[in-house]
This record gives sequence, C-alpha cells and structure tokens, in this order.
Amino acid sequence: AQSVTQLGSHVSVSEGALVLLRCNYSSSVPPYLFWYVQYPNQGLQLLLKYTTGATLVKGINGFEAEFKKSETSFHLTKPSAHMSDAAEYFCAVSKGQAGTALIFGKGTTLSVSS
Amino acid sequence: DAGITQSPRHKVTETGTPVTLRCHQTENHRYMYWYRQDPGHGLRLIHYSYGVKDTDKGEVSDGYSVSRSKTEDFLLTLESATSSQTSVYFCAISESGQGTTEAFFGQGTRLTVV
Repeated sequence: AQSVTQLGSHVSVSEGALVLLRCNYSSSVPPYLFWYVQYPNQGLQLLLKYTTGATLVKGINGFEAEFKKSETSFHLTKPSAHMSDAAEYFCAVSKGQAGTALIFGKGTTLSVSS
Repeated sequence: DAGITQSPRHKVTETGTPVTLRCHQTENHRYMYWYRQDPGHGLRLIHYSYGVKDTDKGEVSDGYSVSRSKTEDFLLTLESATSSQTSVYFCAISESGQGTTEAFFGQGTRLTVV
C-alpha cells in the first residue's frame, strides 16, 4: 500500500525566507511523486512531479523538490518566500501505472508574513 | 485551464435526500476521479472511472455511487445524504492515468448536509 505523510500541518515563514515543506512516502513500488498547491476556494494545481530520471525537480513559481530514495522523502523548497505563496500544499504519490489514482497527504498550510 | 466544470458549485441539502454532482470535461481524457476534501484528511478518493461505463471504488466509497455514460460526464450520487458527507468534492481528469501524467482538477463543489 502507498501512503504519504506531510510533517507539519501549518508552516509559517517571513517574506524572503526559505520555504521547506516536508513529505515522506511509503510505496512498495518505485513511486511517482507530486506536489500540488491549492489557493483559497480553488482547485488543485500541479507544482511539480517526479517520475524517473533526475532526482531534483523544478516546478512553477520557483519551487523545487528532491527525491531521496534512501530517506523516502520528497521535500518541497523555495529559496525566498513571497506573500503570494500563502496556500495549502499537498504531496501525493502514485504507483505510476495507467489508471492508478493519486494518494494525497493531509496537506500543509503555508503562511507568509511581511 | 483544463476544461473541467463541476456543477453545482454549492449545494445545501437535507439528510436522507439523494444528491447528484456532475463533472463535465471538454478534454476527452480517459480517466476521471472524484475526491472529497476534509480538514485534516487531505483529499481522499471516492470513485474513479477508466472509460465509459468502467468505474471502480476508491478509499471512501461507502454511501456513494457513480456513473459514466459519456466520456465527458462523470456523475457522483449520494444515495441518501448524511451529515458526514458534508465536504468539498473535487473532480479530476487525467489522460493516461494520474500515475503517469498530470491530473487536472475542477473548482470543487461545496456540499452541506443539514
């Protein structure tokens, strides 16, 4: 079975500070990993994904994540937070097979203060 | 933006009544999914479809049924609504299955059961 654990339901940073959102996964097969962002009253938008190949993945809005198999982690980072980054972030895992659904973590709410 | 429309966007209904939520896509994607989002739980898969008239259960399918008679429409029915089904419901679509390609999400339907 696959699962995702997001450490910290709420993270607060100052504008310009490093953003680090933690995600650990469990998977019996090589995983595909995703980060989604949800702004208030909106649907989810894909930030980035890891399937195969390079373990450092760059996404939209300056975010990136690194797949570390030995640590079963896929943490999301951004060097300098913007006020507009305030949102809820979800880590998700799948088996990478056609038709398999995403399994989501419980989400982390990011607050950015000026 | 991906062509996904959920209707209605908001609904209040009484306990014990049947409710149907609609997801309509204009992308001709094969896979469609229904998730519910609840605070502290992230997104949980209710049902999904891998083609016309082909559906399967997800993690939290009890009390829900689905139908897909056309590629573009995926209906979620709460057979007899209960207060525990108060939630935000999201439809998602994917061309080759969420595991291998990006999943696109609708704007969500906020359902309140009183």
